[in-house]
Amino acid sequence: EVQLVQSGAEVRKPGESLRISCKTSGYSFTNYWIGWVRQMPGKGLEWMGIFYPADSDARYSSSFQGQVTMSADNSITTAYLQWATLKASDTAMYYCTRMGAAGDYWGQGTPVTVSS
Amino acid sequence: EIVMTQSPATLSVSPGERATLSCRVSQSVSTNLAWYQQKPGQAPRLLIYGASTRAPGIPTRFSGSGSGTEFTLTISSLQSEDFAVYYCHQYNKWPPYTFGQGSKLEI
Repeated sequence: EVQLVQSGAEVRKPGESLRISCKTSGYSFTNYWIGWVRQMPGKGLEWMGIFYPADSDARYSSSFQGQVTMSADNSITTAYLQWATLKASDTAMYYCTRMGAAGDYWGQGTPVTVSS
Repeated sequence: EIVMTQSPATLSVSPGERATLSCRVSQSVSTNLAWYQQKPGQAPRLLIYGASTRAPGIPTRFSGSGSGTEFTLTISSLQSEDFAVYYCHQYNKWPPYTFGQGSKLEI
């Protein structure tokens, strides 16, 4: 059974760093792109970027280029999304998704709150 | 960037009725178009990919059609559990993939 299990809710202050995770199982991790999607409170879905674990090919939407970093640890089939310097505007729900037939499997989401 | 425009923004229908949602794309994406359902507090769920192929486990009342720039999601006979927000998504071209703004199906 394919599963994507994301790390828990995070509360940070502006200027702090953060890394959230997406632990996958039930499929060959390096054979599929992983996508990251942001959903701000009460808003729609936004593509942040896609990441290919086999060769660490990372592609970012222009809105998120330089703002976040995608990575993975293939040994533990886990993808990561990290921020070096959080802003209040980063408050949102973040989802990872496996790009098989489109986004065929999704994590449950990680809520991130950035507030002073 | 490819722009996706969904209509209507909100559709009010009764259980048992048929619902038709539209997704217009600013440039051709062939059939690289997916539809998702999202309920409050839940992650999106893939319904349709390749414009018209139902994802595993998706009821047959959900159907997708279209190619190029015009796409439609049809729910043939609405059940209570179908009231949700629906998003279209093009995955023809990166950067970036894009979502439509969503269509809310309400009772």
